[in-house]
Amino acid sequence: EVQLVESGGGLVQPGGSLRISCADSGFTFRDFWMSWVRQAPGKGLEWVANIKQDGSEKHYVDSVKGRFTISRDNAKSSLYLQMNSLRDEDTAVYYCARARPYGEDYWGQGTLVTVSS
Amino acid sequence: DIQMTQSPSSLSASVGDGVTITCRASQSISNYLNWYQQKPGKAPKVLIYAASSLQSGVPSRFSGSGSGTDFTLTISSLQLEDFATYYCQQSYSIPRTFGQGTKVEIK
Repeated sequence: EVQLVESGGGLVQPGGSLRISCADSGFTFRDFWMSWVRQAPGKGLEWVANIKQDGSEKHYVDSVKGRFTISRDNAKSSLYLQMNSLRDEDTAVYYCARARPYGEDYWGQGTLVTVSS
Repeated sequence: DIQMTQSPSSLSASVGDGVTITCRASQSISNYLNWYQQKPGKAPKVLIYAASSLQSGVPSRFSGSGSGTDFTLTISSLQLEDFATYYCQQSYSIPRTFGQGTKVEIK
């Protein structure tokens, strides 16, 4: 059974940093692109970033470029999102998801990141 | 970035009704269009991928159609468990963008 489990969310002050993680099992992690998608409270879904199987290619939405870094450790079947210079508008539930050419087919349960003073 | 516009933003319907949600892309995306269902407090779940392919395990009352810029999600006979928010997403180009969502409520 495919499972994606996010962790590391919490409360952080504006301008602060946080790293969230996603532990994956039930599939061959190194064979798939992976994505982060977020959802602000009461709002819609926003795709944030994705990363190629070997980590050689990464893409970001403009609003996080230069502040967020996506990475992966294939030996640990884990996905990460390092978030720096956090802003109020980064407050959201962050989901990791397995990426396919046609959408994200498996999602974790999400981890809440709250940016507030 | 490709903009995805869904309509309506919300709708009220009864169990057994047929429902259609539309999604329009700001430029052609071929068939790189996916539909998700999300219930409160839960992660999204893919229903339809490649515009018209039903994800494994999804009931056949869900169907998708379209290509290019105009797409539809149809629920043939609404069931109680279908009351949720539905999102379209294009995976044709980066960034992958979502529609704003359509909330399907009980009439």
